Amino acid sequence: DTGVSQNPRHKITKRGQNVTFRCDPISEHNRLYWYRQTLGQGPEFLTYFQNEAQLEKSRLLSDRFSAERPKGSFSTLEIQRTEQGDSAMYLCASREGAEAFFGQGTRLTVV
Amino acid sequence: SQKIEQNSEALNIQEGKTATLTCNYTNYSPAYLQWYRQDPGRGPVFLLLIRENEKEKRKERLKVTFDTTLKQSLFHITASQPADSATYLCALHSGNTPLVFGKGTRLSVIA
Repeated sequence: DTGVSQNPRHKITKRGQNVTFRCDPISEHNRLYWYRQTLGQGPEFLTYFQNEAQLEKSRLLSDRFSAERPKGSFSTLEIQRTEQGDSAMYLCASREGAEAFFGQGTRLTVV
Repeated sequence: SQKIEQNSEALNIQEGKTATLTCNYTNYSPAYLQWYRQDPGRGPVFLLLIRENEKEKRKERLKVTFDTTLKQSLFHITASQPADSATYLCALHSGNTPLVFGKGTRLSVIA
């Protein structure tokens, strides 16, 4: 499979719990991006890695959010002490050139 | 701050007609403009990219124009089909910077 893979596809969690999502990019792509998308909105940029270095973080990314990309391969996005406002689709994308390849996303529902 | 507007939240057209979607932007001078298609519950899929020094780009039934003076891109789907029904997103960037997306336009092609 040469596409971007995200797991899990769906996650339901209680408010206050921690959640972690995983993204496996296309193997030869050194740039990896996380976005969040809510209903009726376009994807909003959260953070960006080049290899293992986290190069940019959006102001949307509160202290409860942390992302890692150990060894420049897969990436994880963790949300601590989830809030109902965190409910959204979390999308991962990888790029080598200009075109971005997106995964299917992880839909998070905080109840 | 950068602002991207896709003028119509929703657009309904008859099968066989040409769909025209608009993307306007302010406070930005992107080197690239991209269009993506997104189906419900799935990640965006790349369609076309146009550079700032290009006026027009075509791919099969798709055509994109880019006017850096007007700060506007038009996206056309000719001979539209019900299978073209989806949300279409425009995105701007320069070089390796993260893509900044508009809210999208939901296109419905009616048979």
